[in-house]
Amino acid sequence: AQTVTQSQPEMSVQEAETVTLSCTYDTSESNYYLFWYKQPPSRQMILVIRQEAYKQQNATENRFSVNFQKAAKSFSLKISDSQLGDTAMYFCAFLGADSWGKLQFGAGTQVVVTP
Amino acid sequence: EAGVVQSPRYKIIEKKQPVAFWCNPISGHNTLYWYLQNLGQGPELLIRYENEEAVDDSQLPKDRFSAERLKGVDSTLKIQPAELGDSAVYLCASSLGGAPETQYFGPGTRLLVL
Repeated sequence: AQTVTQSQPEMSVQEAETVTLSCTYDTSESNYYLFWYKQPPSRQMILVIRQEAYKQQNATENRFSVNFQKAAKSFSLKISDSQLGDTAMYFCAFLGADSWGKLQFGAGTQVVVTP
Repeated sequence: EAGVVQSPRYKIIEKKQPVAFWCNPISGHNTLYWYLQNLGQGPELLIRYENEEAVDDSQLPKDRFSAERLKGVDSTLKIQPAELGDSAVYLCASSLGGAPETQYFGPGTRLLVL
């Protein structure tokens, strides 16, 4: 069974600064996908970024980028130029080939952006 | 393009009462998921549909939970009877086809059982 660990319950960052969220996962599979989702107070789960394990290049999406270290089973998210609207709970999620369709989520990291 | 629609957004019921949640996926999405999210935790899959077929319901507590997706579009998740521990957010998600397509989530239904 896969496990996803987010070791930071809460992170605080000032506007325009950069924050990095950590995520590690445990799997024996070689084919899988990793995601970061954002859940603001409205509770709508919004996709931030997606990474295919077979791709060596780290995914980027505007101010959001990941550092994918496959050997270390690490998948961190960097938020650059933080904005007040980035305040939300951020979830790391794993989707493995052995259980296609079953997203495994971490416990989440609460990000608070302050003026 | 409209996103995943869920209703109601909030529901308060007394224990032992029945409750139902409705989900309309993104148009053209064949795969539909129901997740349970307890406070302070990540969502956990309850059931996954490929069109009308429930292909993974291993995490659905079948003694009190049921789900259906009769025409392969809308879906309903039911709890009967509800227990205090069922208080949580119920999220619906959909994806274009079989995995590993990205899953898109609805706003969720927050259930409070008194």
